[in-house]
This record gives sequence, structure tokens and C-alpha cells, in this order.
Amino acid sequence: EVQLVESGGGLVKPGGSLRLSCAASGFIFSSFSMNWVRQAPGKGLEWVSSISASSSYIYHADSVQGRVTISRDNAKNSVFLQMNSLRAEDTAVYFCAREMSRIVGAQGFDYWGQGTLVTVSS
Amino acid sequence: SYVLTQPPSVSVAPGKTARITCGGNNIGSKSVHWYQQKPGQGPVLVIYRDSDRPSGIPERFSGSNSGDTATLTISRVEAGDEADFYCQMWDSSSARVVFGGGTKLTVL
Repeated sequence: EVQLVESGGGLVKPGGSLRLSCAASGFIFSSFSMNWVRQAPGKGLEWVSSISASSSYIYHADSVQGRVTISRDNAKNSVFLQMNSLRAEDTAVYFCAREMSRIVGAQGFDYWGQGTLVTVSS
Repeated sequence: SYVLTQPPSVSVAPGKTARITCGGNNIGSKSVHWYQQKPGQGPVLVIYRDSDRPSGIPERFSGSNSGDTATLTISRVEAGDEADFYCQMWDSSSARVVFGGGTKLTVL
């Protein structure tokens, strides 16, 4: 059974940093692109970052460009999101999602985690 | 940047057909995916590559994409279909994933 389990969320002050993790199981992790998508309270889905299966291709949304870094460790079946210079508008549930392909953008996101809540507030 | 436009809400009676649209410039030339999200849960892929259905998704869910509009069609709507629905695509021009704003489906 495919499982994606996010962790690392919490309360952080504006300007602070957090590192989110997503532990994957039930599939050959190194064969799939991975993504982070967030959802602010009561709002819609917003794409954050994507990383290809071999980490050769990395993409970030304009809203987080320069403040976040996506990475993965295929040996540990995990994908990470390092978030710096956090702002109130970064408050959201952050979902980890698997793409149905090695290549970013080729297919849809077929498995999602339950999300981890990040709250940026003083 | 590319924009996907969805109606905020769609209402339908049980047993009828719901159609949720996703508008974008020449979206018919792109590959569109659809997600269903129920309160407190993560999204679920219901249609990918315009009209393909993942295993486990009922045949009542179908998709089409042509011109400037992609459409998710739900036949014989059930109370359990009530949820938020999002369209999504990859904008190769900007190398960005794009989501529509979401449509709340209400079953009357």
C-alpha cells in the first residue's frame, strides 16, 4: 500500500525556518517525481515545489522562490521542503504528493499524504 | 502566468449529471487532471490526462478537454460526491504546476 506521511510542521515566528519531511512507502520511491502542495485555511490548493525522480529537475512556485528548497533522499525514501524567511501568508497545510511519472509535469498526482500544518505567527 | 478558471460552485440534484468546467487559453492542447477533496482530507485524483480514470474511481466520473475548456462530468450524482474539485495542469512555458481555484459541488 502506498503511503505518504508528512511531518515537521508547527508554529514558527515570522522570519523563521522549518524543514518538512515526507516519508514514502509501498512503492519504488526512486521512480517517481515528488511534489509539495499547500492549502491555506479555507482556501484552494497551491503548488509549491516539484522534484524529478533523480533530482535532476527542480521547480518552485514564484510565491516561494528563493525561500524554499526541495530535496529528496532516494536511499531513505523521503522528500524534504526547507522553508526559510517564513511569512504569515505561508500558513497552510502542506501536502506531499506523488506524480505518476519520473518526469515533473507529465502526469497527475496520484497519491497524497494527509498533510502537516505550518502556522507562521508571532 | 497561465490561469485556470473554475466556477466557485455547482449544485446538482441526486441522480442528475454535474459538469464542472476549467477554463484556460487553448487548454485543449494541454493535459488536464482533476482532484476531489472532501473536508479534512487530502485530495484524490479522479481524472488524469484529460479523460483517464485511475483504478478505483467510479465510471460515473469522466473528463473531456477541447478548445478553451476542460470539463469534469459526474453522472448519476450521489450525496457522497459532495466535495471540492480542482483542475490542474503543467504549464511548460513557465515550468510551473497550475491549479484552478476550485469548485464546490453541492448535492441538493
